[in-house]
Amino acid sequence: EVQLVESGGGLVQPGGSLRLSCAASGFTFSNYWMHWVRDSPGKGLVWVSRINGDGSRTNYADSVKGRFTISRDNAKNTLFLQMSSLRAEDTAVYYCARASPDGGSYFSSWGQGTLVTVSS
Amino acid sequence: DIQMTQSPSTMSASVGDRVTITCRASQSINSKLAWYQQEPGKAPKLLIYRASSLESGVPSRFSGSASGTEFTLTISSLQPDDFTTYYCQQYNSDSTFGQGTKVEIK
Repeated sequence: EVQLVESGGGLVQPGGSLRLSCAASGFTFSNYWMHWVRDSPGKGLVWVSRINGDGSRTNYADSVKGRFTISRDNAKNTLFLQMSSLRAEDTAVYYCARASPDGGSYFSSWGQGTLVTVSS
Repeated sequence: DIQMTQSPSTMSASVGDRVTITCRASQSINSKLAWYQQEPGKAPKLLIYRASSLESGVPSRFSGSASGTEFTLTISSLQPDDFTTYYCQQYNSDSTFGQGTKVEIK
């Protein structure tokens, strides 16, 4: 069974940094693109970033480009999202999600989410 | 960037109703369109991918269709568990979600 478990969320001041983790199990982690998606009351679901299986290719939404960095450790089956220069509008529940087995960037497997609150 | 315009944002319906939700893409997305159902406080659940393919385990009352850049999610007979929020997602170029449609009880 595919399992994705996020951690690392919390309360951070504007301008601060936070690192999210997503522990994966139940599948061959290195074979899959992995994504981060966030969900906030004002904006709904927003795609944030993705990374390919060996970590050599990454993409970001314009709203986080230059501030967030996605990475992965295939030896530890873990996905990361390093967030810096955080803003109030980054407040959201952050989900990690696995791309589909056919390579399409749609998601049948999601974590439970971790809440990030940016506030002074 | 590809924009997804989803409508309506909210709708009221009754159990047994046929419900239609629409998403329009700002450019061609080659049918790379998925639909999700999301209950409050939970992760989204995949319903449809590639515009019209039903995800395994999803009831057959859910269906998807496409016409050019316009995509439709249809629930043929609304059930009590279906009163929640639905999102479309394009995955042809990076990814973009629609703004969501909340289906409320009339």
